[in-house]
Amino acid sequence: SQQGEEDPQALSIQEGENATMNCSYKTSINNLQWYRQNSGRGLVHLILIRSNEREKHSGRLRVTLDTSKKSSSLLITASRAADTASYFCATFPTGAGSYQLTFGKGTKLSVIP
Amino acid sequence: DTEVTQTPKHLVMGMTNKKSLKCEQHMGHRAMYWYKQKAKKPPELMFVYSYEKLSINESVPSRFSPECPNSSLLNLHLHALQPEDSALYLCASSQAGQRYNEQFFGPGTRLTVL
Repeated sequence: SQQGEEDPQALSIQEGENATMNCSYKTSINNLQWYRQNSGRGLVHLILIRSNEREKHSGRLRVTLDTSKKSSSLLITASRAADTASYFCATFPTGAGSYQLTFGKGTKLSVIP
Repeated sequence: DTEVTQTPKHLVMGMTNKKSLKCEQHMGHRAMYWYKQKAKKPPELMFVYSYEKLSINESVPSRFSPECPNSSLLNLHLHALQPEDSALYLCASSQAGQRYNEQFFGPGTRLTVL
């Protein structure tokens, strides 16, 4: 079963607005990663945040991690039409193998030009 | 080269056919993965190869047979598939040994079983 649950399932915003997606997970983790998937294509790794980190930035992306609440958020600032994609959080649950990345259900983001 | 390539991009096969999916990477990664993704669902792990040896099989039916001929190549042999096996099949790679790394994905093979 999926470790992560993204919220919302779908999000539609205007170009230039910020987009926030949330991820909750069930067990302790080693790290949490965010991936983007354009329609019907492969996944692209966006950012990795370790369990001892609280916030991380990469370009227009900001990720936070709250291990006490078992949740993470991904903020995309100044969104562009090209950001339209599905976004998945993924974790390595503690006790799982170091190759067993488990994906959440994903948030489908639509950025309207 | 930070690319994972997959061939073919699309595959249509009958339930009695035998076909193979191919994946290649030249990033020096020693861990390679097959995932299955149904429409509007997240990827689900099928197999993991570490240092060319099968290390994880997530209880995948035997009609799917993985093979890792060398450190750059990963194949998935398909035989006697069912229509419910229609999905996007994704290959990925990562560094091995170090733990909990990011994974690099190929564009996938869209498989349709008739």
